[in-house]
This record gives sequence, C-alpha cells and structure tokens, in this order.
Amino acid sequence: DTAVSQTPKYLVTQMGNDKSIKCEQNLGHDTMYWYKQDSKKFLKIMFSYNNKELIINETVPNRFSPKSPDKAHLNLHINSLELGDSAVYFCASSHRTSVTGELFFGEGSRLTVL
Amino acid sequence: AQSVTQPDIHITVSEGASLELRCNYSYGATPYLFWYVQSPGQGLQLLLKYFSGDTLVQGIKGFEAEFKRSQSSFNLRKPSVHWSDAAEYFCAVGSGYSTLTFGKGTMLLVSP
Repeated sequence: DTAVSQTPKYLVTQMGNDKSIKCEQNLGHDTMYWYKQDSKKFLKIMFSYNNKELIINETVPNRFSPKSPDKAHLNLHINSLELGDSAVYFCASSHRTSVTGELFFGEGSRLTVL
Repeated sequence: AQSVTQPDIHITVSEGASLELRCNYSYGATPYLFWYVQSPGQGLQLLLKYFSGDTLVQGIKGFEAEFKRSQSSFNLRKPSVHWSDAAEYFCAVGSGYSTLTFGKGTMLLVSP
C-alpha cells in the first residue's frame, strides 16, 4: 500500500486548459501539503492543510485552488494553465503541523503545459 | 528569513569511496535541520534530522550528518557509497511552526 499516492503521474496539456491532480494518504496524518518542484529541482511549498483547513498559502496565483474533502485527501485544481506551470507537483503529509513533523512525499505528478 | 545553500550542484564518487555533501544554512536561532533523498521518479524520503542534543546524528541507509553551529553547516556523510545511493539530496531548514526551506539539491553520481 502506497502511503501517499497521487494521480495522475504524468499530465500533458495545452495552455489555457484546466486540470486537477489528486492526492490521498493512508497514514492517518492530519496535515497535507502541495509542493512545486521546478525544472532546476527547486522545491517550494504551495499550500498546507491541517484537518481540512487551509493553514499555509504561499504566494501562489489564484488559478491554483486546493481542496480537501477530508483529512486524507488534498486535491489541486489549476485553471487556465500557463507554460510556467510546467513542473513536478508533490503532495506530502505529516503527523504534525510543526516543521518537526517528518514529511512523507508522494511520487510526484509531472505536469507539462504545451 | 531562513535559507539553505548546497554549494555543489552535482558530485561524482566512486563506489566504495566516502561521501560528504555540504549544506550551509542561514537562520538566527537554532534551526531544525533535515536531509532528504530523492531517487529518480520518486518523492523525497527523510534520511535524518537534527533538532537538539548530540550534534552527530545517524540516519537511515548508513548516512550521518554533523551540525556545526560555528560554521552554520549540516554536512551529510557516508563512509562507503553504494551504487544505489545515486540520487538527488536535499538539505532543509525550519524552525518552530515555519515551513521548511529546501536547498536546491546536490545530484550524487556513483561511478563503478
């Protein structure tokens, strides 16, 4: 059983389209995250949810909208995709909101915008 | 603001040789420090972490790291590298309830 699973693993789409990435964790964690890893491997946090509530929203365009239907799921919807959105998006979860909590990452979703 | 510098973009080590990956951080107080590893096509996995206490911390897969406050460093070491260690390594720093700040990573290549 994969602890943090994301779908799809690969996504190729045209500029202007809307797409979603889904994430589920079966670790019983309260906190989930979305990270973006750019082409230079730089990893930056986008959002953090604790028990379905948004607690961190970094400077991310409002075309990105996370949704957490329950504490085991955190989905990411992206409207009006742009070339610069091409990246690998990682979902992660942790037991604690504090930075001391170990992050468990999914395998990533590689988004390519043409 | 906290920051992390990994000076080496990539390093090549012969199999069986020792390894040291450098990490320097910038933060006012005592930071929480982490090393994560990312194998190709995979998410990141925690290797080890330092919060307080003994400055030499042991991690998984035979890795260790040493916190040196005077040098603002948290270098990762392994005495004998295996081919399966080839991956991208990320140092990260955080504090209290702040988010983690990751370095830009060091790609480790292992030659036969």
